[in-house]
Amino acid sequence: LAKTTQPISMDSYEGQEVNITCSHNNIATNDYITWYQQFPSQGPRFIIQGYKTKVTNEVASLFIPADRKSSTLSLPRVSLSDTAVYYCLVGDREKLTFGTGTRLTIIP
Amino acid sequence: EAGVTQFPSHSVIEKGQTVTLRCDPISGHDNLYWYRRVMGKEIKFLLHFVKESKQDESGMPNNRFLAERTGGTYSTLKVQPAELEDSGVYFCASSQEPVYTEAFFGQGTRLTVV
Repeated sequence: LAKTTQPISMDSYEGQEVNITCSHNNIATNDYITWYQQFPSQGPRFIIQGYKTKVTNEVASLFIPADRKSSTLSLPRVSLSDTAVYYCLVGDREKLTFGTGTRLTIIP
Repeated sequence: EAGVTQFPSHSVIEKGQTVTLRCDPISGHDNLYWYRRVMGKEIKFLLHFVKESKQDESGMPNNRFLAERTGGTYSTLKVQPAELEDSGVYFCASSQEPVYTEAFFGQGTRLTVV
């Protein structure tokens, strides 16, 4: 399974765009890149998934360069409610492998 | 539509006792997963059911843990006998397709073994 590396923590002010980058140098051809969000005392929640180029949904955008060795989750105009842990996961097998995640704190 | 539901939300038991956790997946989801996070560690995969069959139980820590999914609906995870190191949060997730699509997680069961 591809190992992922992402910042342990990030701070941002309300209303700003936040970009969280994840490195996955050993990503395999069949691997997808998936991001989950977790609030305290809740289970992880799916945000977005992609294979290559750019994916956008109502919550976030995911940018994946051609070599797929990294990916960037972009959250537009964050609010206090976006304070959470964000996990980058890579794999194609039927189980999710969570890393330490990035603890994002939004400052008023 | 109801989400993934887990019971109980919290459980405190003494070492050596038995505890059974329950997970009700989203209706129609054939794939059901158990994960857990022990104190200070990352969320780890335990096992995966496809309907009532165990597809992958490579993450089960030892034979004190027994998971079942009779009839392919709800699932139970029994810990017998519980040890101190079993304390943590146990998550259940379900998905319609294999998990490289969207998996829906329950709120978790916080287990404390004293």
